[in-house]
Amino acid sequence: GQNIDQPTEMTATEGAIVQINCTYQTSGFNGLFWYQQHAGEAPTFLSYNVLDGLEEKGRFSSFLSRSKGYSYLLLKELQMKDSASYLCAVTVGGYQKVTFGIGTKLQVIP
Amino acid sequence: EPEVTQTPSHQVTQMGQEVILRCVPISNHLYFYWYRQILGQKVEFLVSFYNNEISEKSEIFDDQFSVERPDGSNFTLKIRSTKLEDSAMYFCASSVGHANYEQYFGPGTRLTVT
Repeated sequence: GQNIDQPTEMTATEGAIVQINCTYQTSGFNGLFWYQQHAGEAPTFLSYNVLDGLEEKGRFSSFLSRSKGYSYLLLKELQMKDSASYLCAVTVGGYQKVTFGIGTKLQVIP
Repeated sequence: EPEVTQTPSHQVTQMGQEVILRCVPISNHLYFYWYRQILGQKVEFLVSFYNNEISEKSEIFDDQFSVERPDGSNFTLKIRSTKLEDSAMYFCASSVGHANYEQYFGPGTRLTVT
């Protein structure tokens, strides 16, 4: 099976930078997604990493190290609207199933 | 921008009753999924569907669950005899390709079993 670990809660200040870490243990790892989920809403796609390295998309960047089973999501210039849960999720082999972590609830404070 | 839609937004049913949750995936997408999220817990994969058949399912997706694409646009999840523990948010998702393609999620149906 797959095991995904990420902190359950984090707090950061508006305008600052925050890094949300995710570690995973899985056989046949294929790729890693980050999704954002506001309370009571559906997950929305942020990023996808399959190769080692950093993928940058505006204020959001995601990093993957396959050898370490580690990823992080970096959010810059935090805004109040970034308060949400950030879900780390992995795919295995050629399968369609996406396995989600519990999510990190980020609170952005003024 | 195209989006996945789901109906109803909230469904209340009595234990033992059958429910059908409906989804309209994005029109050019080929892969369809159902997930559930029990309040305060993680999003859990239920089933994926491609080319008019189930391609993967989780251990949660037992004989009480079924999926169907009755026409060219709708994708449904049926729970035959609901249990209290089926109370959750059910999300439909669709994607252009499988595995490594972004899945677009619908807004969800909140199912409450009493």
